[in-house]
Amino acid sequence: EAGVAQSPRYKIIEKRQSVAFWCNPISGHATLYWYQQILGQGPKLLIQFQNNGVVDDSQLPKDRFSAERLKGVDSTLKIQPAKLEDSAVYLCATERPPVGDTQYFGPGTRLTVL
Amino acid sequence: QKEVEQNSGPLSVPEGAIASLNCTYSDRGSQSFFWYRQYSGKSPELIMSIYSNGDKEDGRFTAQLNKASQYVSLLIRDSQPSDSATYLCAVTWTSGSRLTFGEGTQLTVNP
Repeated sequence: EAGVAQSPRYKIIEKRQSVAFWCNPISGHATLYWYQQILGQGPKLLIQFQNNGVVDDSQLPKDRFSAERLKGVDSTLKIQPAKLEDSAVYLCATERPPVGDTQYFGPGTRLTVL
Repeated sequence: QKEVEQNSGPLSVPEGAIASLNCTYSDRGSQSFFWYRQYSGKSPELIMSIYSNGDKEDGRFTAQLNKASQYVSLLIRDSQPSDSATYLCAVTWTSGSRLTFGEGTQLTVNP
């Protein structure tokens, strides 16, 4: 079984630029999460999708972050414009039904904002 | 603000010893509890999940849950250098809700 795929693995941008991350879930996993992990901290949920609908985006900074999951499969997370404090690893995790079971994490995208 | 707190690290133990990692959570109604291991530069991987009071053993790992005390722990017996990693405690507040992670405890097992 293929794991969760993410790209790019690394990205360096300057502040005020835009950036997008892509996630391809494990086949059949209806629930998809995007987390932000700042160095030395635990992952913090940004947004949760169930199929192509948003379940929880309460911690997503909506003035600059957006995410979508078209057709309930792949997902993209975008930051526009980026700030220095957005430097972090962005992790995608997916989960088969039922929700509350094991989450499988992708390798993450390490973003550096200069 | 619902919180998950872990004992501050870093924690250092000699090879073969028992490593004890602790976690407390703020919501008495919390549903599910997880321990993830994260090697440096890698993504978290699930090592244990526990849903009811008591102990759950899996190989060298034992998770302990005490809902009355709002406390969950992870014991690693016969610690190995390969266990050196950051251990993340995670909690779901209600059934089907998102994971809330603690800050993690960095464990070093010295040969």
